[in-house]
Amino acid sequence: AQSVTQLDSQVPVFEEAPVELRCNYSSSVSVYLFWYVQYPNQGLQLLLKYLSGSTLVKGINGFEAEFNKSQTSFHLRKPSVHISDTAEYFCAVTPGVGGGNKLTFGTGTQLKVEL
Amino acid sequence: GAVVSQHPSRVICKSGTSVKIECRSLDFQATTMFWYRQFPKQSLMLMATSNEGSKATYEQGVEKDKFLINHASLTLSTLTVTSAHPEDSSFYICSASGTNNEQFFGPGTRLTVL
Repeated sequence: AQSVTQLDSQVPVFEEAPVELRCNYSSSVSVYLFWYVQYPNQGLQLLLKYLSGSTLVKGINGFEAEFNKSQTSFHLRKPSVHISDTAEYFCAVTPGVGGGNKLTFGTGTQLKVEL
Repeated sequence: GAVVSQHPSRVICKSGTSVKIECRSLDFQATTMFWYRQFPKQSLMLMATSNEGSKATYEQGVEKDKFLINHASLTLSTLTVTSAHPEDSSFYICSASGTNNEQFFGPGTRLTVL
C-alpha cells in the first residue's frame, strides 16, 4: 500500500516569489508520482509526472518537481508564481510497473498567491 | 486530446430520490473508469473502479447498493446515488484511463441533497 503526505495545508506567497510545495510518500514498492492542480469547482489537471529517468521533471505552467528516492520526496517548485496559480495542489502516487494505476492522493495544499 | 466530461455539473435533489451522474471519455476509449468523492477542502477519496463490461470494484466502506456504477461501453460510465440523503452531498469526480494507464479527470459534479 502507498501513502502520501503533504506537509503544508496552506501556503501563502507573494506574486513573483518562488514557491515549494512539499510531498513525501511511503511505499513498499516502486511508484510513479504525480502532481495535479484543482481550480475551484473543477476537476483535476495534471501538472507533471515522474515515471522513470531524470529525477527533475518539468511540467506545465512553469512548474517542476524533483524525485528524491532517498528522501522519498517529490516536492513541487515554481521560481516565480502568478496570481493565476492560486489553486489546490495534490500530490499522488500509483504503484510502478505492473502495479496498476490506482491513485493515492495526499490531502492537498492550498496555494494562495497575493499581490 | 484525452477529454473527459461529466453531466450534470450541478444537481440538487430531494432526500430519498436517486441521481444519475454520467462520465464520458470524448476522444479515447476508456477501459477503466474511476469514481472519486471529495468533501470540502479535502482530498479525493476513491469510491470504485470499473472496467468496461464487468462489475465495479468498490473500496472498503463504500456501499455498492447505494452507489451503483455501470460501465456499459468504452466511453461511458454512470454513477447512480440511490435514495440520496443530505450526507451524500459532495463533489463527485470521475476519471478515465485507456491503454497507457494515465488517468484523465472530468470536471466534477456537485451534488446537493436537501
